[in-house]
Amino acid sequence: SQQGEEDPQALSIQEGENATMNCGYKTSINNLQWYRQNSGRGLVHLILIRSNEREKHSGRLRVTLDTSKKSSSLLITASRAADTASYFCATDRDDKIIFGKGTRLHILP
Amino acid sequence: NAGVTQTPKFQVLKTGQSMTLQCAQDMNHEYMSWYRQDPGMGLRLIHYSVGAGITDQGEVPNGYNVSRSTTEDFPLRLLSAAPSQTSVYFCASSSHQLYEQYFGPGTRLTVT
Repeated sequence: SQQGEEDPQALSIQEGENATMNCGYKTSINNLQWYRQNSGRGLVHLILIRSNEREKHSGRLRVTLDTSKKSSSLLITASRAADTASYFCATDRDDKIIFGKGTRLHILP
Repeated sequence: NAGVTQTPKFQVLKTGQSMTLQCAQDMNHEYMSWYRQDPGMGLRLIHYSVGAGITDQGEVPNGYNVSRSTTEDFPLRLLSAAPSQTSVYFCASSSHQLYEQYFGPGTRLTVT
């Protein structure tokens, strides 16, 4: 069963706008990761946030983590055409890394 | 460094055939894993390994075997291919299961 579930499933925004996607999970975690997948390619790691952290930044990316609500959000600011991709959250369960089903982000010109 | 490599890139099998998907990494990572990706299902963990000689099942292990005789290689075997195994397969590695995962480019498998 999925540990992390992203929301929304798909998102279309205009170039330059901010994009926000969310991830909910079920059991306690050590950390939460976000990955990007361009069409037909392997996943690329974006950012990792530990369970004792509440917010983390990397360039135009901002990730928040609320362990009381078992949820995380990924904010991409000032979106660009190159941000068009699928975004996945991944959480740990036992020794395993479990991925959600992803959010498909489409940046409109 | 080549990172994580997977072969072949594409494969077509007939039902009942067997084959091995190859995965290799040159980063001396202890943790390696196999995922399958199907439309609308995200990535599902098939098998994983925390080090040479140690493997364990993931979420969807049925129909697949793995072994880990070296740190570098983690092959995935399909014993008797079924159409339900049509998917894109990704191999990943990391220094630890809780850290950043490095993914290979994937193998697109079609079973007819």
